[in-house]
Amino acid sequence: QVQLVESGGGLVKPGGSLRLSCAASGFIFSDYMSWIRQAPGKGLEWVSYISSSGSTIYYADSVKGRFTISRDNPKNSLYLQMNSLRADDTAVYYCARGGDGHWAFDVWGQGTMVTVSS
Amino acid sequence: EIVLTQSPGTLSLSPGERATLSCRASQSVSSSHLAWYQQKPGQAPRLLIYGTSSRATGIPDRFSGSGSGTDFTLTISRLEPEDFAVYYCQQYGGSPQFTFGPGTKVDIK
Repeated sequence: QVQLVESGGGLVKPGGSLRLSCAASGFIFSDYMSWIRQAPGKGLEWVSYISSSGSTIYYADSVKGRFTISRDNPKNSLYLQMNSLRADDTAVYYCARGGDGHWAFDVWGQGTMVTVSS
Repeated sequence: EIVLTQSPGTLSLSPGERATLSCRASQSVSSSHLAWYQQKPGQAPRLLIYGTSSRATGIPDRFSGSGSGTDFTLTISRLEPEDFAVYYCQQYGGSPQFTFGPGTKVDIK
């Protein structure tokens, strides 16, 4: 069964850090991956992209310089290190798999909630 | 950066009716780079359509996508009870950069 499972969310104070993990199973972990977030009651916002090998990485302007995406292919895992967190980073964070041969996300995790509040 | 606008914001329809959802881009989008997702409350989004008109695995054929350039459409031919949800369009703009539209809510009339 193709599956992505996120973990690592929680409550953190402004300026704090958090590391999200995404465990993949049921497929060969060789596709591009992204993190996508959704603030409470809002729409979807793409956060970061990492290529299959990890050699190419991109970020949305809103998180550039604060967030770091990485992956460990032998462990079938994706990560998001989030530093200097702000209240507007509060959201459900989803990891998502890039589709084979197309630029859409065909597998999503259930999401992990990150709340930035004092 | 390409901005996506979706209309209407809310579409109130009855089961069995046809739903037509619009996604307009601020600049031309390659047809191979436009996708649609469905999201129900408390759930992750689900890919419906990629490459403007290709249905994702397991998506029923009442869902269809069309369009080109800056105007794209998702059509649900006959609404089933499970289709009432929020729908998002998404484009890939190179670099890569991905953007989502604000969503259209399809609710029961």
